Amino acid sequence: DTGVSQDPRHKITKRGQNVTFRCDPISEHNRLYWYRQTLGQGPEFLTYFQNEAQLEKSRLLSDRFSAERPKGSFSTLEIQRTEQGDSAMYLCASSSYRSAGGLADTQYFGPGTRLTVL
Amino acid sequence: DAKTTQPPSMDCAEGRAANLPCNHSTISGNEYVYWYRQIHSQGPQYIIHGLKNNETNEMASLIITEDRKSSTLILPHATLRDTAVYYCIVSLIQGAQKLVFGQGTRLTINP
Repeated sequence: DTGVSQDPRHKITKRGQNVTFRCDPISEHNRLYWYRQTLGQGPEFLTYFQNEAQLEKSRLLSDRFSAERPKGSFSTLEIQRTEQGDSAMYLCASSSYRSAGGLADTQYFGPGTRLTVL
Repeated sequence: DAKTTQPPSMDCAEGRAANLPCNHSTISGNEYVYWYRQIHSQGPQYIIHGLKNNETNEMASLIITEDRKSSTLILPHATLRDTAVYYCIVSLIQGAQKLVFGQGTRLTINP
């Protein structure tokens, strides 16, 4: 299967600990997105990369959150000093963006990482 | 991004066509209509998208009104595995294209 993969699928941590999630996009996809989804809500945009450049960050992404995509392939999302309010599903998506032609930039999502902060 | 309005829930009998409506009255000319669905505890799954013409793929059909202010997703022969939350999203053709998810429609397929 060559879809988006995320690791780990589940993470339980204690308040105050740091956690890191990894996302591997579909091969050759140049854009990578992170979203967060809390119980009963739709996913909310956090940030996105085009190749290795982080082009936009949501106000939801506090200074405890940092995302990287160092070589323009996989990405990591780190949360420092976790809080109970960080408990959510963290979703990664990727797309193949082409600036010319006005073609749709369809995002394909991974299975998500479910974080529980105790 | 334009906002969308969907009914919170719908039911459909297995084997029948499921028709999911979406209003996007403030859509602009440079925005696509996308549909995703999310089965419990999984990541959203892309279904279909369109700009102004009707579209069909192996999963569904998308009917967009001529004024583009509303659309309908059609699952022609619903199965129990189609039970999910369905999201209608409008997204810019160019630019960041971050998806703005609403509450979606919880579709339940009944045997």
